[in-house]
Amino acid sequence: GENVEQHPSTLSVQEGDSAVIKCTYSDSASNYFPWYKQELGKRPQLIIDIRSNVGEKKDQRIAVTLNKTAKHFSLHITETQPEDSAVYFCAASDQAGTALIFGKGTTLSVSS
Amino acid sequence: SQTIHQWPATLVQPVGSPLSLECTVEGTSNPNLYWYRQAAGRGLQLLFYSVGIGQISSEVPQNLSASRPQDRQFILSSKKLLLSDSGFYLCAWEGKGYSQPQHFGDGTRLSIL
Repeated sequence: GENVEQHPSTLSVQEGDSAVIKCTYSDSASNYFPWYKQELGKRPQLIIDIRSNVGEKKDQRIAVTLNKTAKHFSLHITETQPEDSAVYFCAASDQAGTALIFGKGTTLSVSS
Repeated sequence: SQTIHQWPATLVQPVGSPLSLECTVEGTSNPNLYWYRQAAGRGLQLLFYSVGIGQISSEVPQNLSASRPQDRQFILSSKKLLLSDSGFYLCAWEGKGYSQPQHFGDGTRLSIL
């Protein structure tokens, strides 16, 4: 079945710097890759997603890139702010398309 | 618009007691429904998912069970809780169709004593 690896597990940056989180997946049939942000004690919230027919997607300071050949996708956050501090999860759809397989999460800390 | 409700928000239960967590979705029909567990500081573990009434798929064998008695209702149960069942339980829904995102409820924080 699908397996998703996420790196790094923790990431500390200074306010204004960029942050990059990377994920790899194992199932070449996966076609949907969302990213979630989870603040402490809260529910995960979808921040951006990408489908396999697209190589890059941007939404203001957030962008996601997908390399289907290498089976990896990345989240890029530019001009980081303290409120970006949270745990970020990547996910990939399973072969049947009925479930998401999540990475283990990256704890991002943005210091001012 | 669609909304998802989970209750209770927090729950403290003794070992060996039963459990029932409920999740309901409004504003959509025939959603895919999911139960996840998240241990403190850890990732999301998929427990069960359902693509329709009475259809439950289990991802992890354990002492938990799930039921979907109505289209937009998903229930997580246990007859006898273990200490290892402590965690943050999240329900999520997803619309039918190609590459739909999952949307999470606010979760239930379960502590077993």
